[in-house]
Amino acid sequence: GENVEQHPSTLSVQEGDSAVIKCTYSDSASNYFPWYKQELGKGPQLIIDIRSNVGEKKDQRIAVTLNKTAKHFSLHITETQPEDSAVYFCAPRKGYSTLTFGKGTMLLVSP
Amino acid sequence: DSGVTQTPKHLITATGQRVTLRCSPRSGDLSVYWYQQSLDQGLQFLIQYYNGEERAKGNILERFSAQQFPDLHSELNLSSLELGDSALYFCASSVPAGELFFGEGSRLTVL
Repeated sequence: GENVEQHPSTLSVQEGDSAVIKCTYSDSASNYFPWYKQELGKGPQLIIDIRSNVGEKKDQRIAVTLNKTAKHFSLHITETQPEDSAVYFCAPRKGYSTLTFGKGTMLLVSP
Repeated sequence: DSGVTQTPKHLITATGQRVTLRCSPRSGDLSVYWYQQSLDQGLQFLIQYYNGEERAKGNILERFSAQQFPDLHSELNLSSLELGDSALYFCASSVPAGELFFGEGSRLTVL
């Protein structure tokens, strides 16, 4: 099965700084790369995703970049705000298979 | 609100007991997924159903079972409970190969 690793496991930044979380996967056939955000007391929610035919995708302050050769993709958050504080999960997938979640990165944004 | 409803939100029980967790998927979603979330294991995939049929199985213990009913709601049955089964159990639903929408989870505490 897919092996997924996320780094770092925790990340503390000051409000306004940028944050980057990296996800490394093992299955070169993976072709769908989402990031989910889980706020305290809630279920995970999709915030951005990318498919294997695209190298980068942006949505306002968040972006995802994909390096298929190196088998990793990253979440970039610019101008961080306290409401960005949450746990972020990557979950690469191949075709119609189920998502394999990384162990999560806890992001803390201090005012 | 993701549209996925899970009950109960909290459950406290004793070792050796049996519990049933219930999930109502989003309207129109035929796929239902169950995940277990504990502090040290992240989000572990348990099982997926599609239109009443088991589609994929993950790290689900033999003491656990699930089913999806004709009205598409799903139940996860956990029996012979052990202390280590204490966790958050999430249900998610989707269209085929689509975004997963998660419920708010059922927190199980086994004493």
